[in-house]
Amino acid sequence: AQSVSQHNHHVILSEAASLELGCNYSYGGTVNLFWYVQYPGQHLQLLLKYFSGDPLVKGIKGFEAEFIKSKFSFNLRKPSVQWSDTAEYFCAVSPPVHRGQFYFGTGTSLTVIP
Amino acid sequence: NAGVTQTPKFRVLKTGQSMTLLCAQDMNHEYMYWYRQDPGMGLRLIHYSVGEGTTAKGEVPDGYNVSRLKKQNFLLGLESAAPSQTSVYFCASRGQTNQPQHFGDGTRLSIL
Repeated sequence: AQSVSQHNHHVILSEAASLELGCNYSYGGTVNLFWYVQYPGQHLQLLLKYFSGDPLVKGIKGFEAEFIKSKFSFNLRKPSVQWSDTAEYFCAVSPPVHRGQFYFGTGTSLTVIP
Repeated sequence: NAGVTQTPKFRVLKTGQSMTLLCAQDMNHEYMYWYRQDPGMGLRLIHYSVGEGTTAKGEVPDGYNVSRLKKQNFLLGLESAAPSQTSVYFCASRGQTNQPQHFGDGTRLSIL
């Protein structure tokens, strides 16, 4: 079975600290990769996505992620977090060959302290 | 442009009752999904559909049924609700396999 692992369940940072959230997946073929954010009480919103090409992708609100195929990883980064980044972050994988399937990680809760 | 709309937003049921959650999208998307979100477990796929008239089981399909009679609607049914089905349910849709999902605002369901 496919799986997506997010190793950090809860992260607490002070404002201006750098952020890196880990995401690993278990699928050997071509994948589409996503990071979603869920602010308190809201639905999931797309932060960024990777389909092909440059493995370093930039998303909204200063977030970026790097796809490392050899490590089956797609880690999310932000150089300097803000209080407004407090949210739940989900990594997701969609293997094109598994038509329609979409796998989410269990999420990482980020709390940014002013 | 409404995007993905879920109804109702909140519901309380008694054990054994039945109900249907409605998801409607106005983006002409082919794919539609139902997830449940529980603390510490992320989003788990219940059922999904790759087109009108088709449905498929996801990770946690037991106790749920779905129908996709019209392309824009994806219904999730609970025939006999159980307390273990207390959760927040999210619907999502997307156009093609290389596109991200668009999510609804969720339905908070409590079963007593």
